Amino acid sequence: DIQMTQSPSTLSASVGDRVAITCRASQTISNWLAWYQQKPGKAPKLLIYRASSLEDGVPSRFSGSGSGTEFTLTISSLQPDDFATYYCQHYNNYPYTFGQGTKLEIK
Amino acid sequence: EVQVVQSGAEMKKPGESLKISCKGSGYSFTKSWIGWVRQMPGKGLEWMGIIYPGDSDTRYSPSFQGQVTISADKSISTAYLQWSSLKASDTAMYFCAAAVGSGKNFDYWGQGTLVTVSP
Repeated sequence: DIQMTQSPSTLSASVGDRVAITCRASQTISNWLAWYQQKPGKAPKLLIYRASSLEDGVPSRFSGSGSGTEFTLTISSLQPDDFATYYCQHYNNYPYTFGQGTKLEIK
Repeated sequence: EVQVVQSGAEMKKPGESLKISCKGSGYSFTKSWIGWVRQMPGKGLEWMGIIYPGDSDTRYSPSFQGQVTISADKSISTAYLQWSSLKASDTAMYFCAAAVGSGKNFDYWGQGTLVTVSP
């Protein structure tokens, strides 16, 4: 199985900050990577697919980059609604594993 | 409008069987993969498996192979996740999600089904 490792596990930041979350795959996954946002008690929401494509309706302050084994989700200017947990997931080959999650907290 | 709607919360005893459902609408159910994701209390997301309702091609994570069964009834656009003998450790929120777009990432998610297994 491909292991997905996110860093950091927890990130404290303020409204207006630029933040980046990293996801590393244990083997190459080309650009078959998605990013999801999850708020407490809610289903995950797709933000980015194919490493850098923004899902319809997702604010442009979210962006994704990377290929191969290293990927980054960047939020250019944090808004109050962005404090949540973020997960990466590969879909290169089965099983399609998730990272362990990054909790974005208000500083 | 694409919708993925799951069945309601379940409370079961260890050893009992269970089948939860997930109905897709507003898209071609037979031409889109649909999968299941587990989230244990306070923990992260775990990919369990996925099915292509058009031909019932099903793939499981090794962690869940033999522990659950994923199926689909394309006549009613519904996917299922079932257990033959529940354990307390199966207590979790279970999400189904559909890959409606061109890739196999999950772009539409159900609201989740909470399964509680307790004596």
